[in-house]
Amino acid sequence: AQSVTQLDSQVPVFEEAPVELRCNYSSSVSVYLFWYVQYPNQGLQLLLKYLSGSTLVKGINGFEAEFNKSQTSFHLRKPSVHISDTAEYFCAVRWSAGGYGGATNKLIFGTGTLLAVQP
Amino acid sequence: EAQVTQNPRYLITVTGKKLTVTCSQNMNHEYMSWYRQDPGLGLRQIYYSMNVEVTDKGDVPEGYKVSRKEKRNFPLILESPSPNQTSLYFCASSATGTGNRETQYFGPGTRLLVL
Repeated sequence: AQSVTQLDSQVPVFEEAPVELRCNYSSSVSVYLFWYVQYPNQGLQLLLKYLSGSTLVKGINGFEAEFNKSQTSFHLRKPSVHISDTAEYFCAVRWSAGGYGGATNKLIFGTGTLLAVQP
Repeated sequence: EAQVTQNPRYLITVTGKKLTVTCSQNMNHEYMSWYRQDPGLGLRQIYYSMNVEVTDKGDVPEGYKVSRKEKRNFPLILESPSPNQTSLYFCASSATGTGNRETQYFGPGTRLLVL
């Protein structure tokens, strides 16, 4: 079965330090990749997405992610974090219809990474 | 404003008392889906719908029902809630035009406690 792995359940980091949140998925067959952010007591908001083209994707709030097909990874990075970036971050993958038994639109989520920015 | 709305946002109920969580979107999206979010498990899909009158099970459908009589609405029904259905529920929607590429938009969530 297809799966998405976020190995780090929590990442503590000091304000203004760089951060990388890791995401790996089980198969590189034709995928679309997403990062969502969930601020405390709020719904999920799309941070960025990779559909095709350049493997480096830039999103909102200064975040970026790089699609690495050979390593089946889509790690999220920010060069300098702020207190306001404290939130839970979810990686999600959608396999194309041809690569996932014909199913469409289904997103499979990782278990989330809590980014805790310390002053 | 394009949005997905859910009601209620918070609900406390007792075991066995039927309840419905409503979901509505104003973006004319064909695809709608329900997820539950539990600590350490991320989001898991309960049911989804590709269009009106077309629904199918996700990964954790047991104990839930859905219906899709109108394009904009996709209610989640718990016929006989149990404590293990205590969770945070999200509704999401997306277009389907170019095959899987569209972004899913999420509602604000419904926090359910079953006693």
